[in-house]
Amino acid sequence: EAGVAQSPRYKIIEKRQSVAFWCNPISGHATLYWYQQILGQGPKLLIQFQNNGVVDDSQLPKDRFSAERLKGVDSTLKIQPAKLEDSAVYLCASSLALAGGGRTDTQYFGPGTRLTVL
Amino acid sequence: SQQGEEDPQALSIQEGENATMNCSYKTSINNLQWYRQNSGRGLVHLILIRSNEREKHSGRLRVTLDTSKKSSSLLITASRAADTASYFCATDGSRLTFGEGTQLTVNP
Repeated sequence: EAGVAQSPRYKIIEKRQSVAFWCNPISGHATLYWYQQILGQGPKLLIQFQNNGVVDDSQLPKDRFSAERLKGVDSTLKIQPAKLEDSAVYLCASSLALAGGGRTDTQYFGPGTRLTVL
Repeated sequence: SQQGEEDPQALSIQEGENATMNCSYKTSINNLQWYRQNSGRGLVHLILIRSNEREKHSGRLRVTLDTSKKSSSLLITASRAADTASYFCATDGSRLTFGEGTQLTVNP
């Protein structure tokens, strides 16, 4: 079974530039997550989709971050404009379904995109 | 802010020894999960323990959960150099919330 795919693996940009990350979840997984992991910290959820609808984007800085999941499969995460503090690894994860009662399934993570903002 | 807090932040042991990592959290949870992250790679799910369970085993892994103390521990027995990684607990309330991790180094 193919895992979660992400691209690019690395990206270096200047502050105020724009950047986009792409994620292809495991086939058949309804739920897709984007996390931000700053060096030395645990991942922080940015946004969660179930199919192509947003379940939770409460921690997404909406003034500069946007994400979409057209057709309920692939997803893109965009930062525009980037700031120095956006330097981090951006992880995409997917899970089979969102279980009832707010409980989440086991999440499967991609390798991440390491973003450096200069 | 992160809910889970791992202790210790870093742990260095010799191959064959056991490694114990602890996690404390603040609010009520549905379940608690442990993940491993090798350097520069994504996270791998290790084990999930539900709030009504007290102990769970998977191979060389043993996880305990004490909801009265809001704490969990991960024990890796007979450690190997390949176990070198960061280990994160993640509490599952309405969303999965990760701690800051324990960096485990297993020396050959």
